[in-house]
Amino acid sequence: SAVISQKPSRDICQRGTSLTIQCQVDSQVTMMFWYRQQPGQSLTLIATANQGSEATYESGFVIDKFPISRPNLTFSTLTVSNMSPEDSSIYLCSVVLQGNEQYFGPGTRLTVT
Amino acid sequence: GDSVTQMEGPVTLSEEAFLTINCTYTATGYPSLFWYVQYPGEGLQLLLKATKADDKGSNKGFEATYRKETTSFHLEKGSVQVSDSAVYFCALSSGAGTYKYIFGTGTRLKVLA
Repeated sequence: SAVISQKPSRDICQRGTSLTIQCQVDSQVTMMFWYRQQPGQSLTLIATANQGSEATYESGFVIDKFPISRPNLTFSTLTVSNMSPEDSSIYLCSVVLQGNEQYFGPGTRLTVT
Repeated sequence: GDSVTQMEGPVTLSEEAFLTINCTYTATGYPSLFWYVQYPGEGLQLLLKATKADDKGSNKGFEATYRKETTSFHLEKGSVQVSDSAVYFCALSSGAGTYKYIFGTGTRLKVLA
C-alpha cells in the first residue's frame, strides 16, 4: 500500500472564497483521482489528475470550478473555487497501486457557510 | 452503463451475529469487484477484492465471492464485532484500460454490544 496524506483535514469556509486541498503520496504513482463525498452519500469521481497535463474531468465537473494541479508523481492539489454551501462535502484523493487497486487519503471535510 | 447496487441501510446487528450486505452489479465485460470500509471520520480502506468469476476475496473475517451468473458480490462475516461498525461500499472497475471505479451507495452497519 501507500501512505497518502491530505491537507487540511477539515476547514470551514465562507461562501465565495476558494480552498486548495493538497494530496501527498509517499511513492511515485501514475494514476491519481479526486472524489467528492456529499453528506451521507457515496463517492463521485471529480477528475483524473494527470501529471504534466490538464486533468480529465467527469461529466458535471469543470476546470473553472475545480482546478487541479499535478506537478509531479507524488503530489496533487484540488481547488474548490467560488464556494457555495452545496460544496460542503468530504473531498478525497486516491491513487492506483498494484493492478487496479485504489488507495484513498483520509479526506478533507469542507463546510461552507 | 456500468452500475453497482447495494442494499439499503442502516443494518443493525448484535455482536457475534452473521452479516450479509448485498451487492449486485451491471457491467459489460469482466469487471474487478471491491469492498471498501469507511470508519467514522476516516477515508476509505480497501477491505477485499476479486478480479474474476468464482474468486473469493477475504480479509479480517470478511469474505465475498464474485458470482458472474448472478452478477453479485455479497459481503459476509460470520461473527461481527462492535469495531466493525462502519459504512461499507461495493465498487467495480470495468478494466479494459480504465482504472475508474463505480461505487455503490454504501451500507451503514451498526453493531451493538
